Amino acid sequence: AQKVTQAQTEISVVEKEDVTLDCVYETRDTTYYLFWYKQPPSGELVFLIRRNSFDEQNEISGRYSWNFQKSTSSFNFTITASQVVDSAVYFCALRTQGAQKLVFGQGTRLTINP
Amino acid sequence: EPEVTQTPSHQVTQMGQEVILRCVPISNHLYFYWYRQILGQKVEFLVSFYNNEISEKSEIFDDQFSVERPDGSNFTLKIRSTKLEDSAMYFCASSEGLGGNQPQHFGDGTRLSIL
Repeated sequence: AQKVTQAQTEISVVEKEDVTLDCVYETRDTTYYLFWYKQPPSGELVFLIRRNSFDEQNEISGRYSWNFQKSTSSFNFTITASQVVDSAVYFCALRTQGAQKLVFGQGTRLTINP
Repeated sequence: EPEVTQTPSHQVTQMGQEVILRCVPISNHLYFYWYRQILGQKVEFLVSFYNNEISEKSEIFDDQFSVERPDGSNFTLKIRSTKLEDSAMYFCASSEGLGGNQPQHFGDGTRLSIL
């Protein structure tokens, strides 16, 4: 069975601080795909990034960066110089080869205070 | 940028009534999905749909639920006899293909409230 754990239920930081959201996953499959989604207060789910299990290269996109480590089954998400607009619930998700469903973590509610 | 659209944004229904949630997936996408999110909880998979049939479903998707693609653009989720515990946000999603790294693009959701 697949499982995604986001141990941080809520994080609150002051604007311009860096913040890292943790994601740990479990799967016995050797080929799998990891995703991050953002859910702002308006409620929609916005796709942020995907990663293949065979590509451990970290990725940076502006203020966002992702650290994928197979050795620790983690796919962490860092926001540098956080802004109020980053306030949202962030979900990490897993999809295994051959499966169609996304398995989501519980989400981390991030609040950026001015 | 093309997007998944869902209607209505909020549906209030009496317990026991039938409800149909509607979705228009992204036009060139071939795979369609429904997920639900009970308030404050994680997003849960319900069903996936390809080539006019269900390709995968979860334990949540029991006989009370059905999906349909009535025409070339709409994708619907029907709950036959709603229960209080069906109250949730329902998300439709679509993806271009089934390659595992193909992202699923989600709509804004329909908030279903059962009274």
